Amino acid sequence: KQEVTQIPAALSVPEGENLVLNCSFTDSAIYNLQWFRQDPGKGLTSLLLIQSSQREQTSGRLNASLDKSSGRSTLYIAASQPGDSATYLCAVKGSQGNLIFGKGTKLSVKP
Amino acid sequence: NAGVTQTPKFRILKIGQSMTLQCAQDMNHNYMYWYRQDPGMGLKLIYYSVGAGITDKGEVPNGYNVSRSTTEDFPLRLELAAPSQTSVYFCASSYHGRPTDTQYFGPGTRLTVL
Repeated sequence: KQEVTQIPAALSVPEGENLVLNCSFTDSAIYNLQWFRQDPGKGLTSLLLIQSSQREQTSGRLNASLDKSSGRSTLYIAASQPGDSATYLCAVKGSQGNLIFGKGTKLSVKP
Repeated sequence: NAGVTQTPKFRILKIGQSMTLQCAQDMNHNYMYWYRQDPGMGLKLIYYSVGAGITDKGEVPNGYNVSRSTTEDFPLRLELAAPSQTSVYFCASSYHGRPTDTQYFGPGTRLTVL
């Protein structure tokens, strides 16, 4: 059974720092991996989607990498801003088509 | 486009009551999903649908029912509500179920069963 783990559970950094969020999964047979952002009381917003054949995706200050063989992904956020404060969720899409989520990393960026 | 909409935003139920959570999307997506998110946990799939008239169970379907009579709507029915169903419920949709397809999420319904 696929399991997704995110470390750390919470992270607090000063504004301007570069930071890395980690995601690991137990079954390398995935179709894709997605990083989502969740703001309090809101739904999820997709940030980046990496297909199983890809190694990384970039969007603005965000860069996500995927190493299927080791079952790991990282989300790199450059020059963090207070507006980046949110919970970041990692999810993998398995052979049955459903998304399997980690518990998330709650990020707080202090001004 | 409104995207994915959910009603109500909040609801309190008594044990044993029933209710329907509404979900609609205006993106002409074929696939629709229902997830629940318990405090401090990731989302878990309850039911999903690949098109009108077709539904299938996800990871945690017990205590729920769904129907999909139109492409746009995918209601979730709770029968005989229990405290274990206290959670935030998210509806999502995608055009297909292909690896390149992103799921778009609604704002959620926060349900408390007392």
